Amino acid sequence: EAQVTQNPRYLITVTGKKLTVTCSQNMNHEYMSWYRQDPGLGLRQIYYSMNVEVTDKGDVPEGYKVSRKEKRNFPLILESPSPNQTSLYFCASRSVREGYGYTFGSGTRLTVV
Amino acid sequence: AQKITQTQPGMFVQEKEAVTLDCTYDTSDPSYGLFWYKQPSSGEMIFLIYQGSYDQQNATEGRYSLNFQKARKSANLVISASQLGDSAMYFCAMRFSGSARQLTFGSGTQLTVLP
Repeated sequence: EAQVTQNPRYLITVTGKKLTVTCSQNMNHEYMSWYRQDPGLGLRQIYYSMNVEVTDKGDVPEGYKVSRKEKRNFPLILESPSPNQTSLYFCASRSVREGYGYTFGSGTRLTVV
Repeated sequence: AQKITQTQPGMFVQEKEAVTLDCTYDTSDPSYGLFWYKQPSSGEMIFLIYQGSYDQQNATEGRYSLNFQKARKSANLVISASQLGDSAMYFCAMRFSGSARQLTFGSGTQLTVLP
C-alpha cells in the first residue's frame, strides 16, 4: 500500500530534550515536506526536500532540523524542544509530476511541557 | 503577498444536499495549482481534488467539484449529495509558481453534515 509513515503518533516530552520524528514513504517520491498544524492557522511548512541531500526552509523553520540521506526517509529533529513547538506535525511527499497533491502521513501530536 | 483565505470557520449542511466551501486567493503569478484536502476527526489529511491555473475546465472527482473562477480569484469546493462521512475539516491550498515545492494552506472550514 502506497503510504507515508510517520512515528510516533503521540509524544509528550520535556523542554530541552532532543527528539526525532521519523517519516518514511514507499512511493519513490522526490519531494518531501514537514508541516505543523495549529488551530486557526491551517498548516504551515517547516522544511521541504526536493531530493536526496537537497533541503530548504519553509515558513517556520526555527527550532527544527531535517536531513534527507535516503530518498524514502525525511526525519524531523527538534534539538531543544520548547512549549511553543507543541503542535500536530505532518510529513508529506509527492511526485514531481504536476497535478499531484501531497500524500500525508497520519500525523504526530507533540506536547512539550 | 500570496495568501489563501477561507472565510467560513464552520458550515452546516443537511444530509443529501449540496454544499459550497469558499476559498479565495491572492497572487499575481499566472501559474499556480489549487488543491482541496479533507481532514476527518481522526486527523489524517486526504487529498480530494486539483485544479491547475491553466486548466480550461473545472476539475471534478466523484461528488467533489471545484468551481474555479480565475478572474475573481476563487476556487470553491462543491460537495454534492452530502453524506454523514463528509463531516470534517476542509482545507484549501495552493502551490504558487514562485514556490514550486510548497503548499500554502488556508485556515480551514469545519463542515458538519446533519442527519
